[in-house]
Amino acid sequence: TQLLEQSPQFLSIQEGENLTVYCNSSSVFSSLQWYRQEPGEGPVLLVTVVTGGEVKKLKRLTFQFGDARKDSSLHITAAQPGDTGLYLCSGNQFYFGTGTSLTVIP
Amino acid sequence: GAGVSQSPRYKVAKRGQDVALRCDPISGHVSLFWYQQALGQGPEFLTYFQNEAQLDKSGLPSDRFFAERPEGSVSTLKIQRTQQEDSAVYLCASSLDRGSYTQYFGPGTRLTVL
Repeated sequence: TQLLEQSPQFLSIQEGENLTVYCNSSSVFSSLQWYRQEPGEGPVLLVTVVTGGEVKKLKRLTFQFGDARKDSSLHITAAQPGDTGLYLCSGNQFYFGTGTSLTVIP
Repeated sequence: GAGVSQSPRYKVAKRGQDVALRCDPISGHVSLFWYQQALGQGPEFLTYFQNEAQLDKSGLPSDRFFAERPEGSVSTLKIQRTQQEDSAVYLCASSLDRGSYTQYFGPGTRLTVL
């Protein structure tokens, strides 16, 4: 089992604040994905990173893959209530992290 | 079909009953995955198909769990003699092929075992 640990587990912030979610593992991954899941739905892919040190931006979301391809971070700028959900990292497609539940308060 | 569909969406079973969960992947998708997700946690891998071949079933928790995809499209996850610890959301995902990073998930089936 390739364990992916996410932190924090829960995060509640005010609209407009910035936040960072971390995904860490002792294993090396050839690819890492970030998903967002809303209640009653399946996860939806946000981004895939494959190169160590890679940074990808998706509007207010910035994703970074660690140089050693063992960790990743997701930074959200000026969070909005629509960002509320469960954020999941996934390594090599099969292995999912423990999840970060984000609540953005209007 | 626009996306992955799963049925039923909700299933309540008495302990000891058998259940069958259905997944209809996106048409033409070669790869199909099953996951188990506890409340507030990340999905845990159960099994993976490429067409009709079950290439990896290492995540199935016991021999009470069985999955099939006989014609390479629709898949069924069967759980025999259900137990309370089987209560979870069961997610199905499909992708175009094994090399594709993009998995498309269905809405899941919430199984409650009483």
